[in-house]
Amino acid sequence: GAVVSQHPSWVICKSGTSVKIECRSLDFQATTMFWYRQFPKQSLMLMATSNEGSKATYEQGVEKDKFLINHASLTLSTLTVTSAHPEDSSFYICSAKSGASEAFFGQGTRLTVV
Amino acid sequence: QKEVEQNSGPLSVPEGAIASLNCTYSDRGSQSFFWYRQYSGKSPELIMSIYSNGDKEDGRFTAQLNKASQYVSLLIRDSQPSDSATYLCAVKRNAGNMLTFGGGTRLMVKP
Repeated sequence: GAVVSQHPSWVICKSGTSVKIECRSLDFQATTMFWYRQFPKQSLMLMATSNEGSKATYEQGVEKDKFLINHASLTLSTLTVTSAHPEDSSFYICSAKSGASEAFFGQGTRLTVV
Repeated sequence: QKEVEQNSGPLSVPEGAIASLNCTYSDRGSQSFFWYRQYSGKSPELIMSIYSNGDKEDGRFTAQLNKASQYVSLLIRDSQPSDSATYLCAVKRNAGNMLTFGGGTRLMVKP
C-alpha cells in the first residue's frame, strides 16, 4: 500500500507553546488528508478534512483557531496545535488519500503537554 | 445511537480458535466497510475492506456484510497471540470522503 509518513512520532511540550505535526504522502499525491485524535482507550475522532489548496473543514467542536491545518501541497499537510494545554495531550493521526482511492494512515504522533 | 457500534470487549479467545468481531451501523446509505487493526500505541492498519453483501476472504480473515441488517463482521480463523489488538470497524457514507469509526473491540488471544 501507499506510504504516509508522520513526524514527529512523539513530542513533549510545555503548556502554552505550539507544536507542529507533519503528514507526508511519500509515493502518491494526496488530494485529501484527514486529521484524527485518539484519547486513551477511545476510538479515532475526526478533527478535520483538508483538500490541497483549500481551507480545512473542521468537525463540530474542534476549534479551528487552536488546531491550524495547512495543506499547501499534494504531499504535505501540517497540523499545528497552538497554545497547547495538558488536555490536548493525545494521539494525533493523519491519513491521506488520492482521488477515490482508500486512505492510508500515518504512524501517529503522541503529544504530551506538561 | 452511535453511527457505528462495536462491543468494546475484551473478547478473549484461546489460540487456534475463531474470533468473531461484530459491527452495526446506522446509515443505510453506507457503501464501503473496513476493518482496521490497531496495536496499542500504534496507528490503525487496514486489514479488510468489503463493499457488497456476502463474504470476503483473505487468508485467515473473512469479512461478512449484510446491508439489510446493517451489520458487518470479521472472523479470524486460527487466532494467534499476535492477533491481540483492538479492531476498528469503519464505514464510509455514500458520498464524500469521510470514514466513521466504531469504538473498537479489544481482542485477546491467549496462548
